[in-house]
Amino acid sequence: ETGVTQTPRHLVMGMTNKKSLKCEQHLGHNAMYWYKQSAKKPLELMFVYSLEERVENNSVPSRFSPECPNSSHLFLHLHTLQPEDSALYLCASSHAAGAGTNTGELFFGEGSRLTVL
Amino acid sequence: LAKTTQPISMDSYEGQEVNITCSHNNIATNDYITWYQQFPSQGPRFIIQGYKTKVTNEVASLFIPADRKSSTLSLPRVSLSDTAVYYCLVVSYSSASKIIFGSGTRLSIRP
Repeated sequence: ETGVTQTPRHLVMGMTNKKSLKCEQHLGHNAMYWYKQSAKKPLELMFVYSLEERVENNSVPSRFSPECPNSSHLFLHLHTLQPEDSALYLCASSHAAGAGTNTGELFFGEGSRLTVL
Repeated sequence: LAKTTQPISMDSYEGQEVNITCSHNNIATNDYITWYQQFPSQGPRFIIQGYKTKVTNEVASLFIPADRKSSTLSLPRVSLSDTAVYYCLVVSYSSASKIIFGSGTRLSIRP
């Protein structure tokens, strides 16, 4: 138990579906992240929110849409995905960069395994 | 961001000490060296972090020479459960929250 909870753990969707991944952290952090991990590839940073403001968007296709309504919750909205988007999507949280308590340590959830048919 | 280079894979046996070396030639003054461990189908887990010399915790030791251009993660007396991917990262506390993972080292422990 890392204090970061992701739901659902597994998701199968068609290319025309709309779904959302949810992440919730109970650690009092104020920065949240989405990473994508495809089979046998390094983790790819997708989005970063710090103090509920998006500070990083690594050229991610618009079919992925993040939302951070407050510092404890992060969503990734999915629509018209492609089969190559099938991957493990990992959420993480930390103290915001530059904060006195920041140690550069990320706390990850267990991931949402997405399969696009 | 300083780039890191580490071996793609390593093999060892139960009970042995394993040392994984990472090079980070372009490390900046404000950067810290951080290691994560990842098991299959799980998120990475923070192991240890250091700035210089030696850091030790209940899981591992981290050795950093004076020039800080490399670091070595040392796992004492490994077991089968230490089979995982180990990532070496260089992290700046004061920069934007952009923490990049490389390919990591896939460590396989045999009986």
